Amino acid sequence: NAGVTQTPKFQVLKTGQSMTLQCAQDMNHEYMSWYRQDPGMGLRLIHYSVGAGITDQGEVPNGYNVSRSTTEDFPLRLLSAAPSQTSVYFCASSRGTSGKAAGELFFGEGSRLTVL
Amino acid sequence: LAKTTQPISMDSYEGQEVNITCSHNNIATNDYITWYQQFPSQGPRFIIQGYKTKVTNEVASLFIPADRKSSTLSLPRVSLSDTAVYYCLVGDSRTTDSWGKFQFGAGTQVVVTP
Repeated sequence: NAGVTQTPKFQVLKTGQSMTLQCAQDMNHEYMSWYRQDPGMGLRLIHYSVGAGITDQGEVPNGYNVSRSTTEDFPLRLLSAAPSQTSVYFCASSRGTSGKAAGELFFGEGSRLTVL
Repeated sequence: LAKTTQPISMDSYEGQEVNITCSHNNIATNDYITWYQQFPSQGPRFIIQGYKTKVTNEVASLFIPADRKSSTLSLPRVSLSDTAVYYCLVGDSRTTDSWGKFQFGAGTQVVVTP
């Protein structure tokens, strides 16, 4: 049982390049989400999904796209990377979106992205 | 949305009890309160969750008053390894539009010294 797996762990991009951060979970969780964390800051919600085929925007969605074609995977796409997107990205999942299950998020180890 | 407010930082000595209070005035009836711990370069880790009164596990205790507008995480007899950032998280089930929009606050940096 691997939990939440993120790849790559580290990535360096040039301004304007595109890339996809991968996130996969093997817990059959309906809910998945992406956060970014800048140095010395808290986590900010980018996008989230309450189930396959359903996605929605969080606090800071601009510059990012997501899709949820399967329960297991929730990739985050950067269409045209900018230096302001330099950050650590965390993927999380949980069993549900309300009640007791909602707040128990399982996080991946993070993907550290640098945009030059 | 159910925003949370916590102190920015707290300092403690080894062996002391650390209490961190989180304010969540807009908590909805169905929502639970969850606390996380984060070490540098790691993702947050679940510590404890509660709905009302008191919850205790092997790591911490969580105290929630009757009005549920705040909660207090209690770390008994902290050690150096408890130095971390602690976040409280409250779901928001007041409308279907807010379900799943879990927004973390700034967290509390706890520093434990010998």
